[in-house]
Amino acid sequence: DAMVIQNPRYQVTQFGKPVTLSCSQTLNHNVMYWYQQKSSQAPKLLFHYYDKDFNNEADTPDNFQSRRPNTSFCFLDIRSPGLGDAAMYLCATSRDPGPKGYTFGSGTRLTVV
Amino acid sequence: GDSVTQMEGPVTLSEEAFLTINCTYTATGYPSLFWYVQYPGEGLQLLLKATKADDKGSNKGFEATYRKETTSFHLEKGSVQVSDSAVYFCALSPSGSARQLTFGSGTQLTVLP
Repeated sequence: DAMVIQNPRYQVTQFGKPVTLSCSQTLNHNVMYWYQQKSSQAPKLLFHYYDKDFNNEADTPDNFQSRRPNTSFCFLDIRSPGLGDAAMYLCATSRDPGPKGYTFGSGTRLTVV
Repeated sequence: GDSVTQMEGPVTLSEEAFLTINCTYTATGYPSLFWYVQYPGEGLQLLLKATKADDKGSNKGFEATYRKETTSFHLEKGSVQVSDSAVYFCALSPSGSARQLTFGSGTQLTVLP
C-alpha cells in the first residue's frame, strides 16, 4: 500500500544532542511537510518542500532544519534539542496541483532528557 | 488570515449516542474543508472532506456538509462506538492551493461502553 512512513516511532535524545527524524513516502507526492504537535494541541507547520523548493514558516526556530535528498525521503534535523522540543513530529505529503488533502505518517514521538 | 474554530472538548458520550462536533471557519473564497482523526499515539488520518459548497463528505458513518452560508462544516455520526474514541481535527485548505492546511484546535471524544 502506498503510504508515508516515519522512523523511528519513538526517539529519545539528550538535551543539546543533534537528532534526525526521517520520513519516506511511496505516493510520489511532490509536497512534503513537517509538523510539530505538542500535547493536546493542533499540529503546527514547521516547513514544507514543494519539489526541491524549501519553504520555512516564519516562526520556525533556526534550531530546526530539513533536507529532502529525493522525492521519496525527507529529514527533520534538530541541531540542539531543548526540553521544549519534546513533541510528536508528523510528516505529511500532498500532490499539488491535484486532489486536496494530506496523507500523514504515524509520527515520531521525541523525548528530550 | 484563515482560521478554524472547533467546539471545545472533551466530549464524552455513551455508545450508540448521536455525535455532533461543531466547526466553523473564516477564509476568503471557497476553501476545501476536512475532518482528520487522530487515535492515541498515532498520526492523523483523513476522515472525510468536501471541496465545494453543499458537498457532503462521508466515511465510516461520519458525515459533514459544507455550508457556505454559515461557514460551517459540523461533524456528525448517528451512533458512536467505543472505537470512535479519538481526537478530531477540523481543517481547511485555501482555494487554489493544496499546500496550506489550517487546523482547528481539536476535540477529544471519549465513548463509554
